[in-house]
Amino acid sequence: EPEVTQTPSHQVTQMGQEVILRCVPISNHLYFYWYRQILGQKVEFLVSFYNNEISEKSEIFDDQFSVERPDGSNFTLKIRSTKLEDSAMYFCASSDWEEGELGNEQFFGPGTRLTVL
Amino acid sequence: GEDVEQSLFLSVREGDSSVINCTYTDSSSTYLYWYKQEPGAGLQLLTYIFSNMDMKQDQRLTVLLNKKDKHLSLRIADTQTGDSAIYFCAESALDSGGGADGLTFGKGTHLIIQP
Repeated sequence: EPEVTQTPSHQVTQMGQEVILRCVPISNHLYFYWYRQILGQKVEFLVSFYNNEISEKSEIFDDQFSVERPDGSNFTLKIRSTKLEDSAMYFCASSDWEEGELGNEQFFGPGTRLTVL
Repeated sequence: GEDVEQSLFLSVREGDSSVINCTYTDSSSTYLYWYKQEPGAGLQLLTYIFSNMDMKQDQRLTVLLNKKDKHLSLRIADTQTGDSAIYFCAESALDSGGGADGLTFGKGTHLIIQP
């Protein structure tokens, strides 16, 4: 069964460093998402991406964050200068939603745990 | 803004039914979802319900929606040890974003199964 994969599973970085979290969405999906979950908190939406551009982003997704689909398979989240409060589990998701279709099943990856020291 | 609330823990005996409850605030919520997260795994969609439905049944799972009270529940019949996980309620609204809408999640309910 196709699945969303994410690498690395755990990333440790120093405050102020740049990190890139990688995701490989399901191959025929067209919508891609990033979410994060700070320990003990809710899963929060960060950004959605469609047709090579950002479709929607939350207040959390400030100028420190960027997303990219550098090739036909990867979808990346870059945090330019990490802060302590960026420590969280980051989930990638993808969807093959089509206009007019009921429901939007987003398939999630296992997550990357980011620890900022 | 939108908010989704769930109780954090539910403990049930194996073989009993589990009922996980969720409330949401966004009256424009169009789709409501239940996700399951097992340890070390991602979020797995269990089921979803469109806001013009009251109930949806899928094998052991029954979803009930009370749109007036903005209350959603997930009932798992004959709860098994394999059902032990965190269950997240989530919602999205239909707007111009369509399929690119981000989901708003609750904090998740830890379902604990007693033997």
